[in-house]
Amino acid sequence: GAVVSQHPSWVICKSGTSVKIECRSLDFQATTMFWYRQFPKQSLMLMATSNEGSKATYEQGVEKDKFLINHASLTLSTLTVTSAHPEDSSFYICSAPSGIGTDTQYFGPGTRLTVL
Amino acid sequence: AQSVTQPDIHITVSEGASLELRCNYSYGATPYLFWYVQSPGQGLQLLLKYFSGDTLVQGIKGFEAEFKRSQSSFNLRKPSVHWSDAAEYFCAVDGGADGLTFGKGTHLIIQP
Repeated sequence: GAVVSQHPSWVICKSGTSVKIECRSLDFQATTMFWYRQFPKQSLMLMATSNEGSKATYEQGVEKDKFLINHASLTLSTLTVTSAHPEDSSFYICSAPSGIGTDTQYFGPGTRLTVL
Repeated sequence: AQSVTQPDIHITVSEGASLELRCNYSYGATPYLFWYVQSPGQGLQLLLKYFSGDTLVQGIKGFEAEFKRSQSSFNLRKPSVHWSDAAEYFCAVDGGADGLTFGKGTHLIIQP
C-alpha cells in the first residue's frame, strides 16, 4: 500500500534556530499534503494544507511566517519551523491522499521536535 | 510499540440505519483514544476522544464511542446515519512519547 515517510523522526534544537521537516510520498504522487501538530495527550490539530506548485493554505491561528511550507514536487512537502522556541516543541505529522479510488489518507510516522 | 487496527476497510450502510465502526488497539498502559473523520480533500476533524472516566463518550455529529478495556476496543457508533456521514474514519491511540498512531481507516459509504 501507499507509504508516507517523514524525516527526521526526532529532532532536538536550540531556541532561535530553524528546523526543516520533510514529508515524502514514497510510491504515489500527492498534489496535496496536510500538516498537523499534536501536543502531548491532546488532539491532533490541522496546521495547513500544502499544495504542489502553489502557496499553502493555513488554518486560523497558525503563523505562516513561522511555519514555512514548501511543496516543491509531487512527492515532497517540507515544513520549516523558523526561529523555534520551546513552545514549538510538539509532534508534527503529515498526511497525503493516495488519489486512488477512495481518496484514502496515508499518514507519516510523525516527527517529534524538542526545542531547548 | 502501540498499534491500532481497523478491521473494516469499507463499510456500506443505508441512510437512516445504525452504524458501528470497529477499532482495536494495542498499548501497554491506559490509552488516550481518538476518532477522526475526514471528508474528501479535507483535513482531519476530531469526532471524540477518551482520556479517562466514563467509558461511553459522546462526540460531535451524533457519534459516540465506547472504551472496553477487556476487549482493547474503542468502537464508534451512530444510531442513524445521514448521507453527509460518508467519509473516511480514523481511530488513533496516543502513546505519549511514541506519539500518535493511526489505524488505516474505514471508508464509509451511505446508500440512499
